[in-house]
Amino acid sequence: DGGITQSPKYLFRKEGQNVTLSCEQNLNHDAMYWYRQDPGQGLRLIYYSQIVNDFQKGDIAEGYSVSREKKESFPLTVTSAQKNPTAFYLCATSGADQETQYFGPGTRLLVL
Amino acid sequence: DQQVKQNSPSLSVQEGRISILNCDYTNSMFDYFLWYKKYPAEGPTFLISISSIKDKNEDGRFTVFLNKSAKHLSLHIVPSQPGDSAVYFCAASERTGANNLFFGTGTRLTVIP
Repeated sequence: DGGITQSPKYLFRKEGQNVTLSCEQNLNHDAMYWYRQDPGQGLRLIYYSQIVNDFQKGDIAEGYSVSREKKESFPLTVTSAQKNPTAFYLCATSGADQETQYFGPGTRLLVL
Repeated sequence: DQQVKQNSPSLSVQEGRISILNCDYTNSMFDYFLWYKKYPAEGPTFLISISSIKDKNEDGRFTVFLNKSAKHLSLHIVPSQPGDSAVYFCAASERTGANNLFFGTGTRLTVIP
């Protein structure tokens, strides 16, 4: 069953804590992306990776970090430097043409 | 600065009628446009796209129109169904390879039975 999985569905972060959001895909797509959605706003790009072991900052990368050690996986770490982490986080992938991005189900991060 | 704008935050339409969702953009380098549909607490689902070399693309009940000179695109849904009720996002990109998408703020469509 092909697709994009994100876990967990809900995640709670304490002050000063780093948390990592998982994104796994079995679509054999090269490119992967992380977006953040806040209420009443569009999606904003955090980081993207076009190939293994390479990634680029998006529009709002401050306070976040990523890794791309495997084609299938693109985890996002929300660090303690991110002062307003409460949001809905979406992972996306795109294939060889990189024209259309396909999204996972999302992870909602809440701060305790 | 918002490069893709959806100026109507919400739209209500009777079942069976046409829904028209609008989107404007400012970056003349955008050459690929997409519409996504999103239900609460779920990821966006790709609906339909259009390249700048075309001015219309149709897929079943969904048609996207592109007016490059006006930097405007619209999504038409005919006939509208209650299951179409969702938030619709317009997105645009420069097809440079990185293909970063720039999203509008979304329009919430409610189809009234």
